[in-house]
Amino acid sequence: GQNIDQPTEMTATEGAIVQINCTYQTSGFNGLFWYQQHAGEAPTFLSYNVLDGLEEKGRFSSFLSRSKGYSYLLLKELQMKDSASYLCAVRGTGNTPLVFGKGTRLSVIA
Amino acid sequence: KAGVTQTPRYLIKTRGQQVTLSCSPISGHRSVSWYQQTPGQGLQFLFEYFSETQRNKGNFPGRFSGRQFSNSRSEMNVSTLELGDSALYLCASGQPEETQYFGPGTRLLVL
Repeated sequence: GQNIDQPTEMTATEGAIVQINCTYQTSGFNGLFWYQQHAGEAPTFLSYNVLDGLEEKGRFSSFLSRSKGYSYLLLKELQMKDSASYLCAVRGTGNTPLVFGKGTRLSVIA
Repeated sequence: KAGVTQTPRYLIKTRGQQVTLSCSPISGHRSVSWYQQTPGQGLQFLFEYFSETQRNKGNFPGRFSGRQFSNSRSEMNVSTLELGDSALYLCASGQPEETQYFGPGTRLLVL
């Protein structure tokens, strides 16, 4: 089976940096995704990691360690519009669907 | 390129009724997946279709079914609705084993 854990809620200050962690246990691994979801809206794709290391995309970066079953999403220079839920999702090997964590609700405060 | 579209966006039904939701994927995408999202359970996988064939199925009762047409459009059906079926139903399209892109969802309320 597959299990994905991420913190339920986080709060951070505008302009700061925040790291959202995700740990996973899967029977196989074929990639980890991060999505952003604003309240009442659909998830939007942020990043994809399949190899160990850091992927940077503007203010957002995502890191993966396959041996530790661990990923994090790093958000820099936080803005109020970054207040949203952040979903970690893992794809197993073979013909398996994405499995999502329950999401981390990030609140950015002034 | 137009994104994933879903219709209807909002729906109110009563217990025992049935409902059909529609999803049109991004042009060129052949894989369509459906998810149910509720505050308590998060995003839960319903099923995935590729080339009109169901590739994967989640752990939902047989009241939940789906299909995909030759133009990759997909529908899902829920029969004998229960209060607990109230949720946001999301459709995502992509190529198999690549990034999935979500539609805006259909918010279903069962009374």
